[in-house]
Amino acid sequence: AQSVTQLGSHVSVSEGALVLLRCNYSSSVPPYLFWYVQYPNQGLQLLLKYTTGATLVKGINGFEAEFKKSETSFHLTKPSAHMSDAAEYFCAVTGLKAAGNKLTFGGGTRVLVKP
Amino acid sequence: ETGVTQSPTHLIKTRGQQVTLRCSSQSGHNTVSWYQQALGQGPQFIFQYYREEENGRGNFPPRFSGLQFPNYSSELNVNALELDDSALYLCASSEPGQANTEAFFGQGTRLTVV
Repeated sequence: AQSVTQLGSHVSVSEGALVLLRCNYSSSVPPYLFWYVQYPNQGLQLLLKYTTGATLVKGINGFEAEFKKSETSFHLTKPSAHMSDAAEYFCAVTGLKAAGNKLTFGGGTRVLVKP
Repeated sequence: ETGVTQSPTHLIKTRGQQVTLRCSSQSGHNTVSWYQQALGQGPQFIFQYYREEENGRGNFPPRFSGLQFPNYSSELNVNALELDDSALYLCASSEPGQANTEAFFGQGTRLTVV
């Protein structure tokens, strides 16, 4: 069975500061990994995903994430936070053998950006 | 290109009642998944439909059921509502494919059970 752990349910950063959101997964085989963002009263939007190949993945809005197999991690970063980054962020996985893209999500990290 | 749309956006039901939530998938997508997102938690997979057949189910009781129609729209039905069913219900559609296929989410239906 797969599981996803996001360390820190809330993160507060200053505008212009580094955003770092942590995600660790548990899976018998390296899975596919995703980061989604959810703005208030909206659905989820894909930020980026790791499938195979390059372990540093670049996404939308200046976000990137690095897949580290040895650490079973897929942390999300953004060098400089913007007020519009205030939202909830979810890390998710699917298994390589999954029929279709059934996602297992972490508990989420809510990001507050201070001016 | 029309995105994923869900209806209604909000509704309130009484414990023991039944509810039907609807989802129109994005154009060209024949796979629809439903997720339950309780307050303060991540979404949990309920089930997925592909070409009108259930294609996987999460750890939800049988009173959660679904349908997919020939136009690939979908319904989620919940019978005998319980207070713990109060949540945001998300529908996601995608093209058929592998586990890394991107899922596109609707804005959700907020269900409150009183």
